[in-house]
Amino acid sequence: EAGVAQSPRYKIIEKRQSVAFWCNPISGHATLYWYQQILGQGPKLLIQFQNNGVVDDSQLPKDRFSAERLKGVDSTLKIQPAKLEDSAVYLCASSLYDYRAYEQYFGPGTRLTVT
Amino acid sequence: AQSVAQPEDQVNVAEGNPLTVKCTYSVSGNPYLFWYVQYPNRGLQFLLKYITGDNLVKGSYGFEAEFNKSQTSFHLKKPSALVSDSALYFCAVRGDNFNKFYFGSGTKLNVKP
Repeated sequence: EAGVAQSPRYKIIEKRQSVAFWCNPISGHATLYWYQQILGQGPKLLIQFQNNGVVDDSQLPKDRFSAERLKGVDSTLKIQPAKLEDSAVYLCASSLYDYRAYEQYFGPGTRLTVT
Repeated sequence: AQSVAQPEDQVNVAEGNPLTVKCTYSVSGNPYLFWYVQYPNRGLQFLLKYITGDNLVKGSYGFEAEFNKSQTSFHLKKPSALVSDSALYFCAVRGDNFNKFYFGSGTKLNVKP
């Protein structure tokens, strides 16, 4: 079974520039998550999709971050404009269903450095 | 408020010795508890989970965890540590009245030969 795919793996941009990350979940997984993991901290949920609908985006900084999941499969996360504090690893995860007993499967992450 | 605490930033253990990585939680309702491991430059990998039933849960790579409701703890254990177990370990919790995962801050496990 193929895992969660993410690209790019690394990205360096200057502050005020924009950047986009892509995620392809495990085939058949209805639920997709984006997390931000700052160095030395645990992952923080940014947004959760159930198919192509948003379930939770309470911790997404909506003035600069946006995400979409067209056709309920692939997803993109965008930051515009980026700030220095956005430097982090952005993790995408998927699970079979949006049910609390199901574990999530994570991609390798995209390491973003904002200079 | 829901939360997870991993009180140790780092745990050092010699190869062959038993290891314990601690986790305590706070949720309303019944907890759903998970352990994940993160190797350098890789995403988090699922190790094991507690949903209900037996308090001792067995998972991947010989790891197990013990759920203790009275102490609100879910410590990760392994009888005999390997150098290859060296990694960052995260505890996570969901409550049965919400779906969001809350992750601890992580514990770095160092297993020395």
